[in-house]
Amino acid sequence: DAGVIQSPRHEVTEMGQEVTLRCKPISGHNSLFWYRQTMMRGLELLIYFNNNVPIDDSGMPEDRFSAKMPNASFSTLKIQPSEPRDSAVYFCASRWTGEAFFGQGTRLTVV
Amino acid sequence: AQTVTQSQPEMSVQEAETVTLSCTYDTSESNYYLFWYKQPPSRQMILVIRQEAYKQQNATENRFSVNFQKAAKSFSLKISDSQLGDTAMYFCAFMKPRFFYGGSQGNLIFGKGTKLSVKP
Repeated sequence: DAGVIQSPRHEVTEMGQEVTLRCKPISGHNSLFWYRQTMMRGLELLIYFNNNVPIDDSGMPEDRFSAKMPNASFSTLKIQPSEPRDSAVYFCASRWTGEAFFGQGTRLTVV
Repeated sequence: AQTVTQSQPEMSVQEAETVTLSCTYDTSESNYYLFWYKQPPSRQMILVIRQEAYKQQNATENRFSVNFQKAAKSFSLKISDSQLGDTAMYFCAFMKPRFFYGGSQGNLIFGKGTKLSVKP
C-alpha cells in the first residue's frame, strides 16, 4: 500500500481565496483524521470521521473550515475564504485498529 | 476531555547516551492506547512505540522503551544508545478506542511535543 496520500504537498494562495486539501486514506482503514500543525499550537485535531461519518468536528476553528468524506477512499478539507493565520501544515491520518498512519502533510501558506 | 502534557519543550543528548522524554495525560478511562510518534525534519510522522493500558508490561522496540505508570498517568519514552538519526520532534498521543465489530474508532489527541537534538 502507498500509505496515506495527501495533495498538494505545498500550496501558496492569496488571502480570500478558496483552498482545498485532499486526502486518500489507506485502503481498508475506517477512521480518518485531519490535523493542523503550527509552532504555537502544536498538532491540533480538526475533525475525525468514522465510516465516512464526521464523529467529532469540535476542533474546526471557524465556519470558514469544512471537511467532507464522500466515500471511504477520499476526503477534503476546504478553507473559504483563506486568511494568513491559516498558514500551517495540515496532516491527514487514517487507522483501522491500533495506531494512526499519517500522510506527508500539506504546507499551506496564505499571503 | 482528555489532555496530554509534555513538559520538556526541548532536550539534548550526546550520541550513544540515554535520554528520557516525559509525558503525562489526564483521563477517567480505564482502557486506552498511548503512543509515541517521531517527526524528523522531513515532516513525516512515524510511530515509535505503542502501549495498551490494560497491559502491565512496558512496551519495547529495539532502543526505544516506555515506562508506563497507569496510576500516575505517566508515559515516558527512553531512548538508549542515542543516534544522530534520532534527532526529531517527539509527540506523545492518547486514544480512547471505542470498539465495535470489525474495528474501532476513537479520538487521537497529541501533546505539544519535545524537540530532541542528538549531538555528536
